[in-house]
Amino acid sequence: GAVVSQHPSWVICKSGTSVKIECRSLDFQATTMFWYRQFPKQSLMLMATSNEGSKATYEQGVEKDKFLINHASLTLSTLTVTSAHPEDSSFYICSALRQGTTNEKLFFGSGTQLSVL
Amino acid sequence: LAKTTQPISMDSYEGQEVNITCSHNNIATNDYITWYQQFPSQGPRFIIQGYKTKVTNEVASLFIPADRKSSTLSLPRVSLSDTAVYYCLVGDKGNQGGKLIFGQGTELSVKP
Repeated sequence: GAVVSQHPSWVICKSGTSVKIECRSLDFQATTMFWYRQFPKQSLMLMATSNEGSKATYEQGVEKDKFLINHASLTLSTLTVTSAHPEDSSFYICSALRQGTTNEKLFFGSGTQLSVL
Repeated sequence: LAKTTQPISMDSYEGQEVNITCSHNNIATNDYITWYQQFPSQGPRFIIQGYKTKVTNEVASLFIPADRKSSTLSLPRVSLSDTAVYYCLVGDKGNQGGKLIFGQGTELSVKP
């Protein structure tokens, strides 16, 4: 099946620093990728849609200057949490859309647990 | 965007068949129905996808009635390792650009 690699799987950082999370589609090209965050015992919340070669589209309430998304190639999207604070601590998950002849399927990375001290 | 409604939780025992039903009354003509499984601290894993009638793969079956306003994920003979959260999503690239909104999901607990 399709594989989406997300790195790192966990990161601990100091408040005020920036953290970059990478999402790669390993065996297909993805013009569209998505970023979610998830708090314990809650569902995934869509943060933004990442489009290759263009600006990301952010969901309402998500600060675009806080969560920088870059989708420079068809296999790589990055999410940078800038000036991280403890309230940014969460589980971040990326997904990549694989286009088919009749439909599309979404494949997810393994997630990144971010802890901000 | 089609909204989905699922039971919050379900309990089962090893070896039983588990059926999880999802309601999606506002499903659009071009929407597909997709189910995902998520274990703690992992990304969701694709289980099955369908448009209408019945779809079966090596791990599950998906039943979709003619009106498509609901769907049922069927897991045959569950084991302890099937304990997870199951999400039902509806969407279509043409209407939403592939964007899928997660509902609360169903937390399945399989007991010995």
